[in-house]
Amino acid sequence: GAVVSQHPSRVICKSGTSVKIECRSLDFQATTMFWYRQFPKQSLMLMATSNEGSKATYEQGVEKDKFLINHASLTLSTLTVTSAHPEDSSFYICSAKDRGDYGYTFGSGTRLTVV
Amino acid sequence: GQQLNQSPQSMFIQEGEDVSMNCTSSSIFNTWLWYKQDPGEGPVLLIALYKAGELTSNGRLTAQFGITRKDSFLNISASIPSDVGIYFCAGQHSDAGKSTFGDGTTLTVKP
Repeated sequence: GAVVSQHPSRVICKSGTSVKIECRSLDFQATTMFWYRQFPKQSLMLMATSNEGSKATYEQGVEKDKFLINHASLTLSTLTVTSAHPEDSSFYICSAKDRGDYGYTFGSGTRLTVV
Repeated sequence: GQQLNQSPQSMFIQEGEDVSMNCTSSSIFNTWLWYKQDPGEGPVLLIALYKAGELTSNGRLTAQFGITRKDSFLNISASIPSDVGIYFCAGQHSDAGKSTFGDGTTLTVKP
């Protein structure tokens, strides 16, 4: 089945710095990827839809200048958390869909801790 | 925005017992999905449902797409310790569309 690779799995950064998270679709092409954020013991909240070759679509309340999304190829989308603050600490997860599959495949997530 | 009401929030059961959880929505979905998430990992798709009334099984798991298209349930039969985790329902309006997730059901199985 489809595999989505997400990197890094864990990252600790200082306040004010930026962090880039990569999401790769392995062995399939994904014109659309989704980025979610999950707080402890809570559900997944959709942040944005990443579209290959065009601008991402952000959900209401998500700052596009803070969470930069780049979907430069059919197998790679990146999420950059700019000028990170402790409240940005969370679990970030991406997902993508292979055309022949049911449902979306999720990456293994990135645990971001901002200190 | 849309909301999915998932219940129960948590369950504590003995190994071997059956489990049932459900999701309801105020709006209609064209697709219902059930995922399981282990700690520190991304969700893994268990079952996808595409038609109202559809009943689908995956091993000990059975899920149904409600006739009204506003609800779905997931049953787990003869639970085992590795069933422990958080189960999420998700609704989609289209196959290529984004998913709205329920709040999850945390399952604990006592050996």
